[in-house]
Amino acid sequence: TQLLEQSPQFLSIQEGENLTVYCNSSSVFSSLQWYRQEPGEGPVLLVTVVTGGEVKKLKRLTFQFGDARKDSSLHITAAQPGDTGLYLCAGYHTDKLIFGTGTRLQVFP
Amino acid sequence: ETGVTQSPTHLIKTRGQQVTLRCSSQSGHNTVSWYQQALGQGPQFIFQYYREEENGRGNFPPRFSGLQFPNYSSELNVNALELDDSALYLCASSRVDREGGSGYTFGSGTRLTVV
Repeated sequence: TQLLEQSPQFLSIQEGENLTVYCNSSSVFSSLQWYRQEPGEGPVLLVTVVTGGEVKKLKRLTFQFGDARKDSSLHITAAQPGDTGLYLCAGYHTDKLIFGTGTRLQVFP
Repeated sequence: ETGVTQSPTHLIKTRGQQVTLRCSSQSGHNTVSWYQQALGQGPQFIFQYYREEENGRGNFPPRFSGLQFPNYSSELNVNALELDDSALYLCASSRVDREGGSGYTFGSGTRLTVV
């Protein structure tokens, strides 16, 4: 049983389209993080959201933390081929960083 | 500051063999966590080491073991390798002190293939 479930599992879109990735849990997290991982590399931290309802923007990426701090979303506007990668949400559970199931995004030119 | 370094980058082993993977933590970090990542999936937490002792373990059998050394570097050992152990093994370091914890810095991983 996964503590953090992501959807969709795969996403294949054309350049310029918008997309949203979801991260859901039945548990409350003090904070959630989003990572991006490219083939052959380790995950790289994009953002940490801490407060319920918090919204953070990173250029074309918008991250939101649910009011109840059980879920989060990542929205990408006008996706570009450089956005291609594996997107992972992660949260601290008993002081250990636990990852979601991952969403693989492919953006075609 | 130096990042997290893992070695080797790739490894091929035969079923039943033993393997040791190594990780040098980022300067100033005192905690090391190990993860197993199957292709296209999220990393699964194996265990964490703090002050040279295991400080939390995921759902992995005892044949997965580890060490942390006084310089905070770490090893992951896997005995009696199985085909399903084929994966990317990631090491992450962080700093934990009385004020709390820092973010995790990940290495590029070791790709283990068991044949």
